[in-house]
Amino acid sequence: GIQVEQSPPDLILQEGANSTLRCNFSDSVNNLQWFHQNPWGQLINLFYIPSGTKQNGRLSATTVATERYSLLYISSSQTTDSGVYFCAAGNQFYFGTGTSLTVIP
Amino acid sequence: DVKVTQSSRYLVKRTGEKVFLECVQDMDHENMFWYRQDPGLGLRLIYFSYDVKMKEKGDIPEGYSVSREKKERFSLILESASTNQTSMYLCASSFLAGEPQETQYFGPGTRLLVL
Repeated sequence: GIQVEQSPPDLILQEGANSTLRCNFSDSVNNLQWFHQNPWGQLINLFYIPSGTKQNGRLSATTVATERYSLLYISSSQTTDSGVYFCAAGNQFYFGTGTSLTVIP
Repeated sequence: DVKVTQSSRYLVKRTGEKVFLECVQDMDHENMFWYRQDPGLGLRLIYFSYDVKMKEKGDIPEGYSVSREKKERFSLILESASTNQTSMYLCASSFLAGEPQETQYFGPGTRLLVL
C-alpha cells in the first residue's frame, strides 16, 4: 500500500504562533485528507484536498500531487487547536502516524 | 449533519470471547471502514466495504471478520479476542462517487480492553 509520512511527530507552540505540518506520500493519489483528532478521540475532517489549495478560517492546506506532498498551515494558533493531526492518502485512505500539536497559553 | 455511531464507547472482554462492534451511518454512504488505532502507529485499516455483502481486506485483517447485511450497518467481529487486540477501534463511512472516493466521516470510537 501507499506509505504516508508526517512531520514533525510532535510540536509545541505558544498561542498565537503559526505552524506548518507536512505529509509525504509514496505514490500518486487521487485522495488526500487532513483530520484533527481531539483529546476525546473524535476525528474531524478538515480538508479533502487531492490537489491545489483550500482555506477554512485559520487553517489552509496545499497539496502538490506531482511532488507527492501536502502541507497543513495553522495560523494564530489557539489552545483548542491542540490534538493530533493526521493525513490520509489513497483510495483505501492510508493514514500517517500523525503530528501531535500542543498549544500553550 | 452526517452521523456515524458506534455501539459502545468502552468495552471490556475476556480472552477467547467473541466480540461484536457495531457501526451505523445515516448518510446512505456506500463505503464503510474499520480501523484500529494504537499509540505511535496511527490508524491501520482492518477491513472496508463498498457495498452490501461486499468486503475487502485492509492491512491487518488477521483475527477479524466483518459483516455488512444492510447498507447503513457495518459490523466488526473478533472471533476469539486476544490481548493484542486491545485497542481503539474507529469506524468511518464515505460516498463512492465513482473514483476517487469522497471524504470520510468517523464515529467516536470504541476503546476495547481484552483481559
